[in-house]
Amino acid sequence: DAGITQSPRHKVTETGTPVTLRCHQTENHRYMYWYRQDPGHGLRLIHYSYGVKDTDKGEVSDGYSVSRSKTEDFLLTLESATSSQTSVYFCAISEPPGHEQYFGPGTRLTVT
Amino acid sequence: QKEVEQNSGPLSVPEGAIASLNCTYSDRGSQSFFWYRQYSGKSPELIMFIYSNGDKEDGRFTAQLNKASQYVSLLIRDSQPSDSATYLCAVNEAYSSASKIIFGSGTRLSIRP
Repeated sequence: DAGITQSPRHKVTETGTPVTLRCHQTENHRYMYWYRQDPGHGLRLIHYSYGVKDTDKGEVSDGYSVSRSKTEDFLLTLESATSSQTSVYFCAISEPPGHEQYFGPGTRLTVT
Repeated sequence: QKEVEQNSGPLSVPEGAIASLNCTYSDRGSQSFFWYRQYSGKSPELIMFIYSNGDKEDGRFTAQLNKASQYVSLLIRDSQPSDSATYLCAVNEAYSSASKIIFGSGTRLSIRP
């Protein structure tokens, strides 16, 4: 987890409220990713970024948006949280030319 | 749909034995292959990566790659109780932007004393 932090680490929120998760890195890596991990589904890519202000959708992007205004920060926003978004969210970073990704400690989000 | 397949387990191995974890992938263009270890309640940790056909050894871990068969494996020698975890196989998505990788669902490994 060195060099990657996520905040908050735990959050409980109510259905319909907006939620923002933050990923912060000190490695100056170009690429950043948001995943969710659920039992039976493994890690699924939500959104990713290939540079400041450059983002794109992953396989499960509905209901999520992202922003990256600085190299070190990648924000994930749930515009109106739903119970189906209860999950563990991981941020990861990567630096080309390698493809290996390094993960942050995760955020456990519960939507009631 | 590009896929990475793993047996979910649990795989139970006696302490001191060799644990063998297997993975197949569908994207023939993939060039980079990874094994992550994930302890319960923790984030995935990269333990091995391999790019070329054959074996790559790092301590008690050996990754094996056979691109013709689209098969990757991880051997853990002299298994220890601390090796009990879920092991995720991951493969890079060929021709994708931003170094995207595809993860398998993981194999749960249990080392019994």
